[in-house]
Amino acid sequence: GEDVEQSLFLSVREGDSSVINCTYTDSSSTYLYWYKQEPGAGLQLLTYIFSNMDMKQDQRLTVLLNKKDKHLSLRIADTQTGDSAIYFCAESSNDYKLSFGAGTTVTVRA
Amino acid sequence: DTGVSQDPRHKITKRGQNVTFRCDPISEHNRLYWYRQTLGQGPEFLTYFQNEAQLEKSRLLSDRFSAERPKGSFSTLEIQRTEQGDSAMYLCASSLDGGGSPLHFGNGTRLTVT
Repeated sequence: GEDVEQSLFLSVREGDSSVINCTYTDSSSTYLYWYKQEPGAGLQLLTYIFSNMDMKQDQRLTVLLNKKDKHLSLRIADTQTGDSAIYFCAESSNDYKLSFGAGTTVTVRA
Repeated sequence: DTGVSQDPRHKITKRGQNVTFRCDPISEHNRLYWYRQTLGQGPEFLTYFQNEAQLEKSRLLSDRFSAERPKGSFSTLEIQRTEQGDSAMYLCASSLDGGGSPLHFGNGTRLTVT
């Protein structure tokens, strides 16, 4: 939606780190999520963070939240070919209606 | 836990026909959601249920659309008199009650209206 913005494309070399950025406009956003979508499939939940947190790490994934700037990022360490997909940022100020960005297509090159 | 299941995966229909999609949520999840995704866009909220009660509907959900969850388990989404603009991926998701419990999505039903 127009309330959540992401860059459309990211190309990264295999083994490098990927950083996907997202900005949102709703200052009352409480819940922020990252989803992954592979071709023809639904959305796979990767990780999520609450607005009272600055950072969350889960294996190769690190989420950073700058609430002042309304900026969310997802870092994928040691990017693999299986990480090629579309990544969606989503925010919610309640706990049922998510607003999604248009998605960032990540391409991992050998 | 087999995840959220949607049926059919693909549906091709002629304009003016009615279609119905089914969603089976994760068994212990009380909440069920319908979202719609068009090409190159993120999903957009359509409606959601808390058990069998439909609590909110988006303005995207015109009078031709109706969703039900009669026993608080599976849900159906019906589109009457389909139009070409209805062509999209219809995604179902489920979650535990509130508190930011994350939504778990199914693989969707891709609808093509010719």
